[in-house]
Amino acid sequence: AQSVTQLGSHVSVSEGALVLLRCNYSSSVPPYLFWYVQYPNQGLQLLLKYTTGATLVKGINGFEAEFKKSETSFHLTKPSAHMSDAAEYFCAALEANTGFQKLVFGTGTRLLVSP
Amino acid sequence: DAGVTQSPTHLIKTRGQQVTLRCSPKSGHDTVSWYQQALGQGPQFIFQYYEEEERQRGNFPDRFSGHQFPNYSSELNVNALLLGDSALYLCASSSAVSQHATGGTFGSGTRLTVV
Repeated sequence: AQSVTQLGSHVSVSEGALVLLRCNYSSSVPPYLFWYVQYPNQGLQLLLKYTTGATLVKGINGFEAEFKKSETSFHLTKPSAHMSDAAEYFCAALEANTGFQKLVFGTGTRLLVSP
Repeated sequence: DAGVTQSPTHLIKTRGQQVTLRCSPKSGHDTVSWYQQALGQGPQFIFQYYEEEERQRGNFPDRFSGHQFPNYSSELNVNALLLGDSALYLCASSSAVSQHATGGTFGSGTRLTVV
């Protein structure tokens, strides 16, 4: 079964610094991959997704992620952190099985941004 | 265009009680998935409904049951509540023909507290 690993439950950066959130998936067959953001007491908002094609995916709010099949990774980056980026970030893989599909999530990474 | 609507937003129940959570999918979506997100964890798949039937189920006991109505809205029922059922319950809707492209649209969730 598919699994998703997010390294680092908490990541702290200064405002203006590079953001790097790590995600690895387990499947030998690359799944569809997603990054979601969750603000306190809210649901999940899609940041970006990788399905097929270009391996560098650009999302909302200046985030991007690169799919690397050789490393089974889909790390999320942002060149310059803003205070408003402080939130919980989840990486997820879409597990397809005979027409049925479900999302498998990592445990999340809390991004802390300091002034 | 309304997104995914979940109700209630919060509720408190006593151990042993039963609870019903509701979800109205995004317009044009016909598939509803339910996820449980315990504190500090990523969402865990409970089950998915399509054409008023449960298509697949995650690793949850039979105390968790659901229903989908002809208008595609859905309910999640939990019987004999345990303290460990305290969590944020997320509903995600999607279109059966395009779920792989989006992963689903999430509602803001229902925060269930069992005391």
